Amino acid sequence: DAGVIQSPRHEVTEMGQEVTLRCKPISGHNSLFWYRQTMMRGLELLIYFNNNVPIDDSGMPEDRFSAKMPNASFSTLKIQPSEPRDSAVYFCASSLFSGTGAYEQYFGPGTRLTVT
Amino acid sequence: AQSVTQPDIHITVSEGASLELRCNYSYGATPYLFWYVQSPGQGLQLLLKYFSGDTLVQGIKGFEAEFKRSQSSFNLRKPSVHWSDAAEYFCANTGGFKTIFGAGTRLFVKA
Repeated sequence: DAGVIQSPRHEVTEMGQEVTLRCKPISGHNSLFWYRQTMMRGLELLIYFNNNVPIDDSGMPEDRFSAKMPNASFSTLKIQPSEPRDSAVYFCASSLFSGTGAYEQYFGPGTRLTVT
Repeated sequence: AQSVTQPDIHITVSEGASLELRCNYSYGATPYLFWYVQSPGQGLQLLLKYFSGDTLVQGIKGFEAEFKRSQSSFNLRKPSVHWSDAAEYFCANTGGFKTIFGAGTRLFVKA
């Protein structure tokens, strides 16, 4: 398996522009997570899906952020409008959730977002 | 509330020396514990995990960790560190859907 695939790997955009990050989870996995990593705040969980349904989006910073999972093989994280403080590395991870906490997550390589 | 504490922000060890990274967790139910490693510019990779059974678990790259319920700890160890082990290490605890990650410990390896 190719692992979790994220695109783009790097994104540089100007403040106010819309940014869309993409993720393809590992085939057969039923859960997907979006994280943001910064030096100041570390690794933050933004949202997670189970069977394509958003379970908890309490980590989404504000209404400018939205995430979708239209099918089991694709998810997007959108920021509109983007701001400089959104600059971070965004990770997608997937897992096979069996009903307990006994599952590991597989992380993608991340998208480094820079908003100028 | 569920929490994971990694008391050391960074650690420096000499190549060939032994390593221990500390992790303390807090969660009322059965803990599901993990160690992940993140090399520069990459995502997190699973090193090892503990769900139940033998409290000493072996992982990849020669790492091991010991679960101690009495101390609420899950420390990561390696008997002889290699320069390629320089990275950031995250301890994590999963309850239900949610995984709580520690703040990470950055490992520096000196020649």
